[in-house]
Amino acid sequence: AQRVTQPEKLLSVFKGAPVELKCNYSYSGSPELFWYVQYSRQRLQLLLRHISRESIKGFTADLNKGETSFHLKKPFAQEEDSAMYYCALSSGGYNKLIFGAGTRLAVHP
Amino acid sequence: DAMVIQNPRYQVTQFGKPVTLSCSQTLNHNVMYWYQQKSSQAPKLLFHYYDKDFNNEADTPDNFQSRRPNTSFCFLDIRSPGLGDAAMYLCATSRDFQGGLLGYTFGSGTRLTVV
Repeated sequence: AQRVTQPEKLLSVFKGAPVELKCNYSYSGSPELFWYVQYSRQRLQLLLRHISRESIKGFTADLNKGETSFHLKKPFAQEEDSAMYYCALSSGGYNKLIFGAGTRLAVHP
Repeated sequence: DAMVIQNPRYQVTQFGKPVTLSCSQTLNHNVMYWYQQKSSQAPKLLFHYYDKDFNNEADTPDNFQSRRPNTSFCFLDIRSPGLGDAAMYLCATSRDFQGGLLGYTFGSGTRLTVV
């Protein structure tokens, strides 16, 4: 079964500390993986896609097929990074998005 | 700004009383999705429309229906809401199925409370 697992409900760090939000997936084919972010009182929005290998707002994520992981990383957290982060996998012929339960990142001053 | 708009932002309905949630988009995307998100859980896909073609997820209860009268609008109808249907309902759009490559555009959601 296709599944996305985010093992941490809450990640709490201090400003300037490195951040790693974990995401593991199970999928039989070649997955398309995403990170979505939801800031307080805002809509869910796309942060980055694995196929574009981009860095957005200092965040990067590398797909590790051997470990079936797509962890989100940032070397120095900022207070404005505080938000809910969802890992998602695209599956099926119509690219249905399957979401993890999300990790709340809290960055303290 | 082109976007996805969900109305209302908060909806309170009575147990068993039909309720309709609304989603509109100005992106001219041909695919529209409805997700249900319960507290502390992952958003769960209920169904989607590809143009006028309706696609129901296998585990979506019959209590949930949808209508798409035109490209811009999509409605979620809950025929007899139960307490377990209280959730945030998210509408999303994508162009064709490029959402799998380009991502979806989400609305702000409607939080449904059942009393």
